[in-house]
Amino acid sequence: AQTVTQSQPEMSVQEAETVTLSCTYDTSESNYYLFWYKQPPSRQMILVIRQEAYKQQNATENRFSVNFQKAAKSFSLKISDSQLGDTAMYFCAFRSETSGSRLTFGEGTQLTVNP
Amino acid sequence: DADVTQTPRNRITKTGKRIMLECSQTKGHDRMYWYRQDPGLGLRLIYYSFDVKDINKGEISDGYSVSRQAQAKFSLSLESAIPNQTALYFCATSDFGLAGGGDEQFFGPGTRLTVL
Repeated sequence: AQTVTQSQPEMSVQEAETVTLSCTYDTSESNYYLFWYKQPPSRQMILVIRQEAYKQQNATENRFSVNFQKAAKSFSLKISDSQLGDTAMYFCAFRSETSGSRLTFGEGTQLTVNP
Repeated sequence: DADVTQTPRNRITKTGKRIMLECSQTKGHDRMYWYRQDPGLGLRLIYYSFDVKDINKGEISDGYSVSRQAQAKFSLSLESAIPNQTALYFCATSDFGLAGGGDEQFFGPGTRLTVL
């Protein structure tokens, strides 16, 4: 069974600064997909970024980028130029090709952006 | 209008009561999922369905049942609610899968359920 671990329950950052959220996972499969979801206080789950394990290049979406280290089974999220609207719970999630679209989520990291 | 809707948004009930949470989607997706979210545990999969005739248990299905009434509707029932089922419940949908299989799941707004 796959597991996803987010070891930072809470983090804070000053507005306009950069912050990195950590995620590690455990799997014996060679091909899989990794996701970061954002949950603001509205509690809506929003996909932030997606990475396919067979792609060497790290995914980037505007101010959000990932550092994907396949050998280390690490998938961190970097938020640049943090904005107040980035305050949210962030979940790392894993899906293998054999899991039939099922996602396994980490525990979540509560990020607070301070003015 | 929201693509994935859940009713009710909030519900307080008593131990032993039967509760149904409903999910509807207009995205035309075949796959639907029910998750529960607990503090410090993230989201955990309760049940999932790949089409109307295909329903599968997730990692925490005990105490829950589901019904896929149509492609667009997927309901979650708690036959006899207990306090440790107090949680935030999410419905999600996804398409069969993009090239490469990295299909995104789209979530409803969640139902906050409290069992007293």
